Parts: sequence; structure tokens; C-alpha cells
Amino acid sequence: KQEVTQIPAALSVPEGENLVLNCSFTDSAIYNLQWFRQDPGKGLTSLLLIQSSQREQTSGRLNASLDKSSGRSTLYIAASQPGDSATYLCAVITGTYKYIFGTGTRLKVLA
Amino acid sequence: EPEVTQTPSHQVTQMGQEVILRCVPISNHLYFYWYRQILGQKVEFLVSFYNNEISEKSEIFDDQFSVERPDGSNFTLKIRSTKLEDSAMYFCASTATLDTQYFGPGTRLTVL
Repeated sequence: KQEVTQIPAALSVPEGENLVLNCSFTDSAIYNLQWFRQDPGKGLTSLLLIQSSQREQTSGRLNASLDKSSGRSTLYIAASQPGDSATYLCAVITGTYKYIFGTGTRLKVLA
Repeated sequence: EPEVTQTPSHQVTQMGQEVILRCVPISNHLYFYWYRQILGQKVEFLVSFYNNEISEKSEIFDDQFSVERPDGSNFTLKIRSTKLEDSAMYFCASTATLDTQYFGPGTRLTVL
């Protein structure tokens, strides 16, 4: 059974710092991996989608990498800003095309 | 850009009542999903739907739940007799390509 874990569960950093969020999954047989942002009480905003044949994707200050063989993905946020404060979720798309979500990392960027 | 929409944004109901959560998927999509997120917990898969049939359902999706595509545009989730533990955010998603789903903004269900 696919399990997705995110470390750390919570993170507090000063503004301007570069940071790395980690996602690990137990079954490497995935189609894609997607990173989302969720603000408190709100919906899911897609940040980056990495297809299984890719190793990384970039969008602005965000860079996500994928190592399927080791069951790991990282989301790198450069020059963090207070507006980046949110919960970041990773999700893997499995063999039956459903998403399995991770536990999330709650990020707080201090001004 | 086309979006998945959900109504209502917030539904409050009494325990034991029936609720119907509505979703309008992106118009050319054929695969539809419901997920839920209990406050403070992870997003969990409930059910997938294709060609007017359930493709897969989770252990959560018991006989109290049902899904329907009553017309060409809506996709609904019905909970027959709500329990306190059904309180959660419910997300609808749709896709044309299976490998990427597009999520709606969610319906917050509060069961009193």
C-alpha cells in the first residue's frame, strides 16, 4: 500500500531563507508527483507537476525534483517570503490513477 | 482557463440528514473524483467515476455515500445520513488524461 510522508511536519524560517521540503513514498511505481499549496481552510493550488520520466520542474522561485528509484521528491523554495506561508502537500498519482497525498509541511515565513 | 466548480462552498447540516454536494467538472473531462480532508488531516481519496460507473472506491466510501452524474455537466456526492465524523472539506476533481487531476475549491461540510 502506497504511503506518502512529508518531513518536516512544520517549519518556521526568517524571510529570505532558501528552504527544502521533503516528500517520500513507499512504492516507486507512480505515474506522476504533484506539489500543492493549501492556505488555511482553503482549496488546493497546484504548484508543480513532475511526470515520472522527468527529474525536475521549475516555476519561478520553486524547483521540485523527483527520484523515483529512491522514492523521494524535494520542493526547493528560493528567497522565501511571508506570502509563502501555507501548508505544502505532495501527492503521487498511482497505478489506478488516484492521488495519494502526503501529510503536509506547515511553513511559516517570518517577516 | 476552465475550472472545476463546487457548490455550496459551506454546508451546515444536522446529524442524520441527507446532503448532496455538487461539482461541475471541466467540460471535456471524462474522469471524476471525490476526495475529503478532515480538519488537520491528510486529503483522502473517496471514489473515482468513469462512464457512469464507479471505477474505484476507498474503505471510507461505504453504503452511506453515493455518486451520480445526473446530466452532462454535474457530478454529485450524496451522503444519506450524515454523521459527526463526516464533517470535512470535500474536493471534487476531474481529468481528461488520467495523469493529472484538476481540483475544485472544495465544499466545507459541517455536521452538527
